[in-house]
Amino acid sequence: QITLKESGPTLVKPTQTLTLTCTFSGFSLSTSGVGVGWIRQSPGKALEWLTLIYWNDDKRYSPSLKSRLTITKDTSKNQVVLTLSNMDPVDTATYYCAHHIWSGNNFDYWGQGTLVTVSS
Amino acid sequence: QSVLTQPPSVSGAPGQRVTVSCTGSSSNIEAGNDVHWYQQLPGTAPKLLIYGNRNRPSGVPDRFSGSKSATSASLAITGLQAEDEADYYCQSYDISLSGWVFGGGTKLTVI
Repeated sequence: QITLKESGPTLVKPTQTLTLTCTFSGFSLSTSGVGVGWIRQSPGKALEWLTLIYWNDDKRYSPSLKSRLTITKDTSKNQVVLTLSNMDPVDTATYYCAHHIWSGNNFDYWGQGTLVTVSS
Repeated sequence: QSVLTQPPSVSGAPGQRVTVSCTGSSSNIEAGNDVHWYQQLPGTAPKLLIYGNRNRPSGVPDRFSGSKSATSASLAITGLQAEDEADYYCQSYDISLSGWVFGGGTKLTVI
């Protein structure tokens, strides 16, 4: 059974760096073809893919946010960490992490999401 | 502005059939990349509903079906039920962006 859960601050100030952790179970990020991605959803808006990391440490970033995003993994802890720098109120959103298989090109299991509000 | 285009809303009466369209471009759907569909019930995380254009994950009722042409994709829901009220998103891979893209979402109302 695959599960993922996001954790991190619920409130950050403008210009701060957001750090979110995705802790997962039921799969290993050392297995060939496996990836974990981050997707966000601003209130009342559509889903937006942010970044993804593969089992082989291949990393992909949304071009529009690439300069502000970093994704890393800790295979031994079954965790993936997202950092987003220089936070702005427009970054207020629910952030989801999701399981991904290279061959499928979709996100088949999602965490419950965590709402991050950017406000001074 | 989402890369994939969906109608903002659709509606139907219980028992009816509705479709949701998803249009892309030469760098995603028209490039031959698969389209996937997600259902997001109010206040919950998205759930994979259709993968690889037309395949249903285990547990998804066969009332839900997907199709894809050379230029677009569609999600069809037959025998509408009140519990189908949700937002529906299409998703594909974009070779120009080297990343995954979503539609703007379609809100289904069962009237």
